[in-house]
Amino acid sequence: DQQVKQNSPSLSVQEGRISILNCDYTNSMFDYFLWYKKYPAEGPTFLISISSIKDKNEDGRFTVFLNKSAKHLSLHIVPSQPGDSAVYFCAASVGQGGSEKLVFGKGTKLTVNP
Amino acid sequence: DTGVSQNPRHKITKRGQNVTFRCDPISEHNRLYWYRQTLGQGPEFLTYFQNEAQLEKSRLLSDRFSAERPKGSFSTLEIQRTEQGDSAMYLCASSLVTSNQPQHFGDGTRLSIL
Repeated sequence: DQQVKQNSPSLSVQEGRISILNCDYTNSMFDYFLWYKKYPAEGPTFLISISSIKDKNEDGRFTVFLNKSAKHLSLHIVPSQPGDSAVYFCAASVGQGGSEKLVFGKGTKLTVNP
Repeated sequence: DTGVSQNPRHKITKRGQNVTFRCDPISEHNRLYWYRQTLGQGPEFLTYFQNEAQLEKSRLLSDRFSAERPKGSFSTLEIQRTEQGDSAMYLCASSLVTSNQPQHFGDGTRLSIL
C-alpha cells in the first residue's frame, strides 16, 4: 500500500505564479517530511524539510506546510520560475533529520511556462 | 564537496547474468542507502548501512541481491541471475547521522535487462 501519495502526476503553471504541490500520507508514525526535486538523468536533490513539531517551514521561494490532523503537506513555490520545471517527490520518515529510511511518493511533474 | 558518485551510470546485460554497482558516498558520511526507482514510481528503499554494518534490508531485497560496505566507505550492490523485473534505476544516497542533514543522492545506475 502506498504510504505517501502524490495524487497529481503533473502540474503546469505560468512563470511568476504560485505552484502548489500536494502530498498525503497514511502512516501516523511519520514525523519528518522532505521534498526532493529531480531533473532528468540526475539524482534527487533535497529541497526543503519539515518536522512534525512544526506546521510551516520556509526557505526563500519555497514553503512547506504540514497539517498533521489531515495527514497532508504541501509545497508552495512563489514565484515559480522556468528552472523549477522538474519532478518533485514528497518523502517521509520515522525519525528526525532525514537520516532514517525514506518513503517516497510517486512524484509530481511541474512545468513552469515562460 | 564531491557529492555521491555511482558507477557505472548505465549497465545493459542479458537476463541471467550477474551485475555489480558501486557507490562512493560523501567522504565524511557514515550512513549509506540504496534505493530502486522504476518508471513512474518514486524511489523505494532497499537497504542501508551505518559505517560497515548493514542495519536494515527491505523485503524488496530478494536473496539474489547482496550489498556490502566492507570498510565503511564505498558500497557495492550485486544482483545475481538478473531478471527482467530488475530493470530500474538504482540510487545511492549518504548522510551524516549526527548532523540532522538530509540524504544526498547520486545520479544513479540505470540497469537494463535484455
